[in-house]
Amino acid sequence: QVQLKESGPGLVQPSQTLSLTCTVSGLSLTSNSVSWIRQPPGKGLEWMGVIWSNGGTDYNSAIKSRLSISRDTSKSQVFLKMNSLQTEDTAMYFCARVKRPYYGHWVMDAWGQGASVTVSS
Amino acid sequence: DIVLTQSPATLSVTPGESVSLSCRASQGISTSIHWYQQKSNESPRLLIKFASQSISGIPSRFSGSGSGTDFTLSINRVESEDFSVYYCQQSYSLPWTFGGGTKLELK
Repeated sequence: QVQLKESGPGLVQPSQTLSLTCTVSGLSLTSNSVSWIRQPPGKGLEWMGVIWSNGGTDYNSAIKSRLSISRDTSKSQVFLKMNSLQTEDTAMYFCARVKRPYYGHWVMDAWGQGASVTVSS
Repeated sequence: DIVLTQSPATLSVTPGESVSLSCRASQGISTSIHWYQQKSNESPRLLIKFASQSISGIPSRFSGSGSGTDFTLSINRVESEDFSVYYCQQSYSLPWTFGGGTKLELK
């Protein structure tokens, strides 16, 4: 059974760096890709970026300069780091497994429960 | 970036009614569209993938259609557990984007 679980600090001060961890089970990170998605309170979903099964990454250009996604395959963990946080980065942060049912086609088919992050002094 | 426009923003229905939710893409995306349901304080759940493909464990009253720029999520005979927010999302090109959502509420 595929499971993903986000963890990290609930509160981050403005201008500081956010560090989140997505711990997965029931799947291998060397054959599965993982995305990060966030959702501000009461608002819609924003795709942030992806780490592919080969370790390559792609980011949303809107936040690319502040974002880094990495992984530790031995620990089944994916990491998100985002610097220069502002109040508008307050959101629920989700990680999701990206499945490729056939070449060139992807779908986020399993999501974690989310980690709430508040940016405030 | 591909913009997805969902309509209506809110849909008020009574249980037993059948409804259609729309998602329009700013450019052609073949069938690379997926539908998610998000209940309050929960993570999104995949309902339909690649416009019309069903997902194991999802009730058969949910179905999807469309290709190119116009897509529809249909719910046949809405049940009380269906009142939530529905999002479409495209995986045709990066950055992947989501529609603004349609809230299905009890009339």
